[in-house]
Amino acid sequence: GQSLEQPSEVTAVEGAIVQINCTYQTSGFYGLSWYQQHDGGAPTFLSYNALDGLEETGRFSSFLSRSDSYGYLLLQELQMKDSASYFCALFGGANNLFFGTGTRLTVIP
Amino acid sequence: GAVVSQHPSRVICKSGTSVKIECRSLDFQATTMFWYRQFPKQSLMLMATSNEGSKATYEQGVEKDKFLINHASLTLSTLTVTSAHPEDSSFYICSNLLRNRGYTDTQYFGPGTRLTVL
Repeated sequence: GQSLEQPSEVTAVEGAIVQINCTYQTSGFYGLSWYQQHDGGAPTFLSYNALDGLEETGRFSSFLSRSDSYGYLLLQELQMKDSASYFCALFGGANNLFFGTGTRLTVIP
Repeated sequence: GAVVSQHPSRVICKSGTSVKIECRSLDFQATTMFWYRQFPKQSLMLMATSNEGSKATYEQGVEKDKFLINHASLTLSTLTVTSAHPEDSSFYICSNLLRNRGYTDTQYFGPGTRLTVL
């Protein structure tokens, strides 16, 4: 089977940088995706890593290391509106997504 | 990104009734759409993959006779929760699959439907 583990909660200060880690176990996958979800809302696509290395999209960057079964999402210049849940997800052979446990990020002033 | 709509956004129904949720891909034709369920403070769980013109593929543990999926056109997939019970109360979210060049296929999610069964 597949599994993804994330820290359940992270708190960071406005303007700071925060890293949300994701470790996974799987027999195979195409890539690792990251989604943001505000309370009561739908997941919003943030980033996708098909290959090892860093992908940068504005204030958000995502990293993947297949040899370490590990990835992370990096959020820079944190804003209050970044308070949300963040999910890593494995993009699999049937084009479906298997989601991690989710990390609730709280940004404080 | 791709735009996905869902209707209704919220529904409250009595136990034993059936509820239909619509998922529309607004800006491109989606041969594949997905249905997820999310309980409070939990992650999203894939229920089924909806394929246009063919039967849906259900994940293990999801009753296909209870959660009926129809993908009759390239822009519309429907999920019908039959004989709903309070334990079916959840947030149901659909997504479509946007195929990009290279290795960047991406799923985009609808706004979700919150189902409450009394």
